[in-house]
Amino acid sequence: AQSVTQPDIHITVSEGASLELRCNYSYGATPYLFWYVQSPGQGLQLLLKYFSGDTLVQGIKGFEAEFKRSQSSFNLRKPSVHWSDAAEYFCAVVSLRDYGGSQGNLIFGKGTKLSVKP
Amino acid sequence: NAGVTQTPKFQVLKTGQSMTLQCAQDMNHNSMYWYRQDPGMGLRLIYYSASEGTTDKGEVPNGYNVSRLNKREFSLRLESAAPSQTSVYFCASSEDIQETQYFGPGTRLLVL
Repeated sequence: AQSVTQPDIHITVSEGASLELRCNYSYGATPYLFWYVQSPGQGLQLLLKYFSGDTLVQGIKGFEAEFKRSQSSFNLRKPSVHWSDAAEYFCAVVSLRDYGGSQGNLIFGKGTKLSVKP
Repeated sequence: NAGVTQTPKFQVLKTGQSMTLQCAQDMNHNSMYWYRQDPGMGLRLIYYSASEGTTDKGEVPNGYNVSRLNKREFSLRLESAAPSQTSVYFCASSEDIQETQYFGPGTRLLVL
């Protein structure tokens, strides 16, 4: 069955430092991939998505992600973190029936909580 | 344009009570979803509706029922609440299956 792994439960970075959040997926074809962000007590907001084409995608708030098929990865990056980026980040892949899932739904990783030191 | 709205924002129930969580979207989306979020578990799909008139089970459907009332509204019902259903519930919608999903603000449910 399809799955998404976010290896880091909690990451702390200093304000102004660069950030990379890891995401790996198990899948047999070109996946539809997403990164969402959730601030405390809030819903999920879409940061960026990859469906096809250029493997480096730009999102909102200065985030970008790179799809690497050879590594089954879709890591999220930001060159300079701001205190307001402290939140929980979720990677997700669209489920397909051919791979044992319900067609079209999102399979989420368990999330990475980002803390930002002043 | 409010996007996806959910009511109530917060609810406390006693074991065995029933309640319905409401969700509405104003984006003319065909597909709607209900997820639950528990600490350390990410989001898990309860039920979804690919289009008006259809509903299907997701990963964790036991103890829940859904109704796609019309294109805009998709409700989630707990017939007999259990403490294990204490969670944060999110509704989402997308133009179609496999398209980007947009989430509501969530309903925090506590079952005592």
